[in-house]
Amino acid sequence: DTTVKQNPRYKLARVGKPVNLICSQTMNHDTMYWYQKKPNQAPKLLLFYYDKILNREADTFEKFQSSRPNNSFCSLYIGSAGLEYSAMYLCASSSANSNERLFFGHGTKLSVL
Amino acid sequence: AQSVTQPDARVTVSEGASLQLRCKYSYSGTPYLFWYVQYPRQGLQLLLKYYSGDPVVQGVNGFEAEFSKSNSSFHLRKASVHWSDSAVYFCVLRYNAGAKLTFGGGTRLTVRP
Repeated sequence: DTTVKQNPRYKLARVGKPVNLICSQTMNHDTMYWYQKKPNQAPKLLLFYYDKILNREADTFEKFQSSRPNNSFCSLYIGSAGLEYSAMYLCASSSANSNERLFFGHGTKLSVL
Repeated sequence: AQSVTQPDARVTVSEGASLQLRCKYSYSGTPYLFWYVQYPRQGLQLLLKYYSGDPVVQGVNGFEAEFSKSNSSFHLRKASVHWSDSAVYFCVLRYNAGAKLTFGGGTRLTVRP
């Protein structure tokens, strides 16, 4: 199975409320990523896990949290959603020590109202 | 710093016509380049990739791309497009020991029947 699964496909959240998005893969990839994609923009890397080590991008450092309880699962957590968080959130995985491609999930479309 | 530029945000062609989508990259190291496609309501899918060797690489659905080190380019081509090729195409650079991707802004391709 070479798929990355994301749940849910669509998420509605209220301003100020927390949001938790889930991603899983069964390819035994050591690296899992979260990207944010807004309409007509390129996907933007938010953070990634290499094994158990979390790397967050400097400009999103305080806005997003993540956890990776095991190799297969990775979550993205927003503590207090704002309107600007409305976007598609893409999870991806790969083997960092190779030159292989990233495998992307279908994404979770988050709408904050 | 690395960057990827897709100068054409939107391209419209007629079915059966040939296609070239342009991509320019900037990176001081060895580039690992990809083209990903996003069809409506689907996740990102890999079309093709280039690591080394023959500068012309073949992908799925009749797509190919040509790497040019002298021009810092990785243009995508197809001899005859089909209406189902309508999608958003992203040129992507992998860097930082394979851990990170830089996306171009994307090109929205519309194929007129």
